[in-house]
Amino acid sequence: IAGITQAPTSQILAAGRRMTLRCTQDMRHNAMYWYRQDLGLGLRLIHYSNTAGTTGKGEVPDGYSVSRANTDDFPLTLASAVPSQTSVYFCASSDSDRTGKSGYTFGSGTRLTVV
Amino acid sequence: DAKTTQPTSMDCAEGRAANLPCNHSTISGNEYVYWYRQIHSQGPQYIIHGLKNNETNEMASLIITEDRKSSTLILPHATLRDTAVYYCIVRVAWAYSGAGSYQLTFGKGTKLSVIP
Repeated sequence: IAGITQAPTSQILAAGRRMTLRCTQDMRHNAMYWYRQDLGLGLRLIHYSNTAGTTGKGEVPDGYSVSRANTDDFPLTLASAVPSQTSVYFCASSDSDRTGKSGYTFGSGTRLTVV
Repeated sequence: DAKTTQPTSMDCAEGRAANLPCNHSTISGNEYVYWYRQIHSQGPQYIIHGLKNNETNEMASLIITEDRKSSTLILPHATLRDTAVYYCIVRVAWAYSGAGSYQLTFGKGTKLSVIP
């Protein structure tokens, strides 16, 4: 089934540890995104990538890094996790359809708890 | 991007039409109206979008006023599985975004509760 796969589904992480959240899509979409969702704050964009080899900062990029070595994969890395990074993380992708007809496709999310 | 205003919550009886309003009075000519929904604990799901004409697909209908300052998402026969938070977003299409980005900004949305 075409879509986005995120891993792990959930994780409890000790503060100060490094963690990479994985995201893979099989739709050959050009653009990919990472959002975090916290109660009362909604979905906030962390980083995005318009195409393989390029990345950009979203609304809340501090403490996170991304890479886009190929079209399918867009990993999100927390270099040194802090408790404020406890959240649900969603990866998404979209096609660069110039008519705007393509919506986003989201993954099922990774629930991360930093203790 | 134009800002949107949606009611915080709404109820709808099962089997009836759910009409979710959205105000976007500062929308510009090249901005589309998008609707997404998020069922509890799942990732957001694309529903529909439009520019100025009314649109219909297998999930819903989108009615945009002639002045484009507001729109209504219609779920024709709401079921319990339609209980979710519904987000109305306005955004330029990829071709007009200058830097080529296509980021969506999610607000608080409307929590729709479908009642048996």
